[in-house]
Amino acid sequence: DVKVTQSSRYLVKRTGEKVFLECVQDMDHENMFWYRQDPGLGLRLIYFSYDVKMKEKGDIPEGYSVSREKKERFSLILESASTNQTSMYLCASSGQGALSYGYTFGSGTRLTVV
Amino acid sequence: GQQVMQIPQYQHVQEGEDFTTYCNSSTTLSNIQWYKQRPGGHPVFLIQLVKSGEVKKQKRLTFQFGEAKKNSSLHITATQTTDVGTYFCADPSGTYKYIFGTGTRLKVLA
Repeated sequence: DVKVTQSSRYLVKRTGEKVFLECVQDMDHENMFWYRQDPGLGLRLIYFSYDVKMKEKGDIPEGYSVSREKKERFSLILESASTNQTSMYLCASSGQGALSYGYTFGSGTRLTVV
Repeated sequence: GQQVMQIPQYQHVQEGEDFTTYCNSSTTLSNIQWYKQRPGGHPVFLIQLVKSGEVKKQKRLTFQFGEAKKNSSLHITATQTTDVGTYFCADPSGTYKYIFGTGTRLKVLA
């Protein structure tokens, strides 16, 4: 019954590497989101997308980019990973109109940059 | 900008005690949602409140929306170890994105 799937549960990358985090949803949702979650800082929005090929910056977009080529897939890209990007990354999706009833989150990717 | 604050930030209770977390907004909310995140897990949608003064129950959980629609509360009666986690409120009234509260982390001592 998995509806939002993140490609990796745990990931270890080296400083300076380009990192791709993938998220796929099967609910035909228009909106998709990337958050990072750090102790004491809650959920912070990195980027979101409300349609294919559309993207908007969230609260902390620096050092990240995103791609949404298909409705069901939303990728987060760390252009050059740094140790301060070590975090839990959560993807979420939501519908619009009659489908808009809460976020559905993926299981998260715990990224460690060494 | 709009803020959604939750208190307390942390709460430790003995199993069987009640627990309440409060969510306060700087602006009037159209509706409010609540999520639960178990340790090591991801946030899971619990409920949405829409009407002023609305009260909804899910077993031992009682959710309330303030009359002025600027605050909300989640009350758990007779906590159990399965209630452990972080509870978030969220304001879903943005065009696309929600404003999440800061969260309340609940620890239940057996």
